[in-house]
Amino acid sequence: QLQLQESGPGLVKPSETLSLTCTVSGGSISSSSYYWGWIRQPPGEGLEWIGSIYYRGSTYYNPSLKSRVTISVDTSKNQFSLKLSSVTAADTAVYYCARRRLNSTGWWYDYWGQGTLVTVSS
Amino acid sequence: QSILTQPPSVSGAPGQRVTISCTGSSSNIGAGYDVHWYQQLPGTAPKLLIYGNSNRPSGVPDRFSGSKSGTSASLAITGLQAEDEADYYCQSYDSSLSGGRGVFGGGTKLTVL
Repeated sequence: QLQLQESGPGLVKPSETLSLTCTVSGGSISSSSYYWGWIRQPPGEGLEWIGSIYYRGSTYYNPSLKSRVTISVDTSKNQFSLKLSSVTAADTAVYYCARRRLNSTGWWYDYWGQGTLVTVSS
Repeated sequence: QSILTQPPSVSGAPGQRVTISCTGSSSNIGAGYDVHWYQQLPGTAPKLLIYGNSNRPSGVPDRFSGSKSGTSASLAITGLQAEDEADYYCQSYDSSLSGGRGVFGGGTKLTVL
C-alpha cells in the first residue's frame, strides 16, 4: 500500500523559507505513470493546488505562487520536497503531499499524506 | 473566491439522497477537462471519491456517483449515512492562466440530520 509522509518544521518566521519533504513508501517515485504534488489548506478554508513534479524533474506550479515556489525530487531517497520563500501569515496552512494521476483530460490525486500544519509566526 | 463554485452546505436525513453541484466555466469544466471529487472527514486528509467525472476508486461504495454536463458537475450520495458527514471538494484543471493550473471548489459541508 502506497504511503506518503510529510515532514518539516511546524513553525516558520515571516519572510523566511518554508521547507517540507514528502517521503514515499510502498512504491517508487520513479514510476513513469505518476506525478507528485503539493496541496495546502489554510485553517478552516478550502484546498489550494501548489504544484507538481515528475521524477525526471519537470515541474508545474500554481501561477499565483510560482515566483516563490520550488519543488524538487530525490529519486535515491524516494522523496520530493517543497520550498516556499518569503512566507507571510497567509501561508499558514496544512500542507499535503499527494500522488497525481493524469490522462488526456486532466489530473487527480489518488493517494495523500496525512498533512502537516505549518504556522508562520515570529 | 474559488474558480469552481460549490454550495457552502447541504444537508439530508439518513437514507435520503443529496446532490452537490460544482459550477465552472469555459476554461475548465466547459473546456472538456474532467471533474474529480474528494471527501474530507473532520481532521483528516482528503480522500479521492470520484475521478474522471464518474469513476469510483476501488473501495468507494456505489452510493456515491458523479456526473458532468456543460460547465457543471454533480456528486450524488444516495442512502445517506451518518458517516458521510464531511466536507466535499470538486477539482478540475483550468487553462485560463499561462501554464494552466489545478483548481478546487471551495468545498461543501454535508450535514446528516
